[in-house]
Amino acid sequence: AQSVAQPEDQVNVAEGNPLTVKCTYSVSGNPYLFWYVQYPNRGLQFLLKYITGDNLVKGSYGFEAEFNKSQTSFHLKKPSALVSDSALYFCAVRVSIYNQGGKLIFGQGTELSVKP
Amino acid sequence: GEEVAQTPKHLVRGEGQKAKLYCAPIKGHSYVFWYQQVLKNEFKFLISFQNENVFDETGMPKERFSAKCLPNSPCSLEIQATKLEDSAVYFCASSQSRTAKETQYFGPGTRLLVL
Repeated sequence: AQSVAQPEDQVNVAEGNPLTVKCTYSVSGNPYLFWYVQYPNRGLQFLLKYITGDNLVKGSYGFEAEFNKSQTSFHLKKPSALVSDSALYFCAVRVSIYNQGGKLIFGQGTELSVKP
Repeated sequence: GEEVAQTPKHLVRGEGQKAKLYCAPIKGHSYVFWYQQVLKNEFKFLISFQNENVFDETGMPKERFSAKCLPNSPCSLEIQATKLEDSAVYFCASSQSRTAKETQYFGPGTRLLVL
């Protein structure tokens, strides 16, 4: 079965410091991995995705993620955190559309808090 | 449109009442997905459509939930005889094609409260 795990419920970072939000996955076949951000009382906003190719993926708002096949991880990173980055972050894997309809399977979310 | 639109933003129902939620996908997107977010964090897939055809309904509690995507109309998710545990935020997402690499874009959600 396909699954995604975000081992940290909460990550606290000081403004200006680098941040990492962790994600590991378990899939059969090629992984299609996504990061979304959810601000309070808002919908999910797409940040970035890994499909194939370069293991370092760059996305919106200065975020990037590193795909590591051997560790089955797709950690989200940012070199210098902003207070405005404080939000709920979700890692997701998209199931192959041919046998399971293309739905997203989400991790449990990580709350990022950036303090001034 | 350029964004997924969902209405209403908030919906309050008494237990046993019907609730109907609407979603307009991004123009040109053929796939629509419904998800339920409970307990703040947990996302549960409900159903997906390819145009007006159900593509995957493995997540739907079929005894009370139904959904449609009709031509030239917003998609809808209907809950008959709501229960307290149906209280959640319901998100609709759309994607352009059937390939797994396509991004799903989410609407702002409908917050359903069942009292």
